[in-house]
Amino acid sequence: DAKTTQPTSMDCAEGRAANLPCNHSTISGNEYVYWYRQIHSQGPQYIIHGLKNNETNEMASLIITEDRKSSTLILPHATLRDTAVYYCIVRVAAHQAGTALIFGKGTTLSVSS
Amino acid sequence: DAGVIQSPRHEVTEMGQEVTLRCKPISGHDYLFWYRQTMMRGLELLIYFNNNVPIDDSGMPEDRFSAKMPNASFSTLKIQPSEPRDSAVYFCASSRPSGNTIYFGEGSWLTVV
Repeated sequence: DAKTTQPTSMDCAEGRAANLPCNHSTISGNEYVYWYRQIHSQGPQYIIHGLKNNETNEMASLIITEDRKSSTLILPHATLRDTAVYYCIVRVAAHQAGTALIFGKGTTLSVSS
Repeated sequence: DAGVIQSPRHEVTEMGQEVTLRCKPISGHDYLFWYRQTMMRGLELLIYFNNNVPIDDSGMPEDRFSAKMPNASFSTLKIQPSEPRDSAVYFCASSRPSGNTIYFGEGSWLTVV
């Protein structure tokens, strides 16, 4: 069973920041928060992951609350190509135990001009 | 970098026929995953391998499904006999033993009529 809760859908205007929330209230101390996205007809694509500190890369930023029970993925300047299903997943890091990603239903983000 | 390579990309077959899906993971990746995606059930983990050994096959729906990994660069997912409810997109993915990123292929689109 997926350990996360996400809104079913969100809309965002092109050029604006897209903030995608995720609740993971039962997260364990050794579990990371991962974000993947799936653009229509393609395989899922890794975006970012974090444990407890905020993280940023060329694609997005990840803000994790201090109690680690929720997080927000931020796409700072959304474009039409960011329209996709975004999945928030919690799991132990690969080097701790070889585990697979278990996907929930994700959030469908629609970016419009 | 070639990425995860799946074949065939699209297949239409008649009920009762055998279907074989193929996957070539990224070179150097020790983990290989098979997922299935449908509108009703979303992305489901079927099975995953580590160093060519199946680790968790609890997601394999029934005995009609089988997966093998004869070597580090090749895996197959076989359905025999196929049924219309097997129609789905089948994704193969791979990752390094210490890697946090799982890389997905473009999927094999299967239609059983």
